[in-house]
This record gives sequence, structure tokens and C-alpha cells, in this order.
Amino acid sequence: QSVLTQPPSVSGAPGQRVTISCTGSSSNIGAGYVVHWYQQLPGTAPKLLIYGNSNRPSGVPDRFSGSKSGTSASLAITGLQAEDEADYYCLSYDSSLSGFWVFGGGTKLTVL
Amino acid sequence: QVQLVQSGSELKKPGASVKVSCKASGYTFSNYAMNWVRQAPGQGLEWMGWINTNTGNPTYAQDFTGRFVFSLDTSVSTAYLQISSLKAEDTAVYYCATRYCSGGGCYLDSWGQGTLVTVSS
Repeated sequence: QSVLTQPPSVSGAPGQRVTISCTGSSSNIGAGYVVHWYQQLPGTAPKLLIYGNSNRPSGVPDRFSGSKSGTSASLAITGLQAEDEADYYCLSYDSSLSGFWVFGGGTKLTVL
Repeated sequence: QVQLVQSGSELKKPGASVKVSCKASGYTFSNYAMNWVRQAPGQGLEWMGWINTNTGNPTYAQDFTGRFVFSLDTSVSTAYLQISSLKAEDTAVYYCATRYCSGGGCYLDSWGQGTLVTVSS
């Protein structure tokens, strides 16, 4: 049970928009710590998708965007494509665990 | 560019030890802290901790104290994860990842390809 809660699964048809939430608390996201997002394609290592709540590394399409408000963060994917089917994880810092990073439980995105 | 190459898959018996390596290239090894992340079969990512590549000082997440040891060989730009007294529940893919800090905070930037450790009798 992660301290950052994500929906286990989301789905959408090609071309649609989906969002993935990452809900925390006052010891992590709500304390002002930034949120990062990772995409993990089947059988591969995670890849940085969004850093610092809403910044995209070079090479990441602008179809991916991140936001944060209060104790939650969200990842939005527009113009859904088949190759977006993957697991997505949020990552933040949690001050209640002696100052450690924590991942969300992960969300499986299915492109219908 | 930054590249992290991990050692190959391991099959170990319960009670044995394993040492996973992560060889870095394409950057100055001491510039970025090295982190370790575990992923059990079909499960999510767990941050295990990190090691300061300047001082060699390790920091372990709560669930990874005791049997897990992070170490370095800076002469060959390599980080190591050693797990002792292996249990079946240690079966997982273990990733190394560099920590990069910018205006957007600190985050895990470059990742190794992962090392599968299987513990079975």
C-alpha cells in the first residue's frame, strides 16, 4: 500500500484524452514536494516522462502534461496512441518516512 | 550520453547472497547519486535507497535495511547492490538509476536495463 494512491487502471480509445491521478497527503505532495511521472513499457525500464510537476524532458511529446494541486497531481495524455499503452508511476518525496522518495502504486493504461 | 549497464540475471537458492552491478558511462560518476529500485513480478516500483557517489555513504529506505548493502568501485564507475540471506520474496527486477537535480527538483533520470534476481530452491 503506497502513500501515493493511483488508480490501478485507466483506458481510452485512440485519439481520446485520459488522466491519471496521484493522491498524496500533507507529508508529501501537500507539503509542496514536486511530483515526477514515469512511463514503463512492457519489459522495459521506467522512463522519465514529467519532472517537477509539469516539465517535459526533451523528446517527450507535448501530448503528455502534468499538473499539481493541493495533495494531488495528475498526468494527462491527449491524442491517445496505441504505443501509449504502458504502466505509469508518480514519484514524490515523503517527509514522514525519514525523508525518502515514494512511488505511487502504478496505473495500467489500456488503449482500446 | 549517460548509460547504465547492469549485470545479468541471477538464479539463487534461499539463504544465498547476490551482488548486482551497475556500470556507468558517459558522465563523471561522482556527479550523480546512484539509486536502487525494486520491482517484484507484476508489482509496482519500490525505491530502495541511494548511495552518495562522492562519499560512498548509503541511505536505505525503511524496508531495505539489514540485508541490503549499496557499495561503489569508483575506479571503474560501478555501483553495486548486495543482498544477503536471500528469500523467495526478494525475487524481483532490480534497477539502478541516477539522481539528477535541476530547477524542477531532484528525480531519477537515467536508468539501467534492470537485473532479474530469482530466488528459488
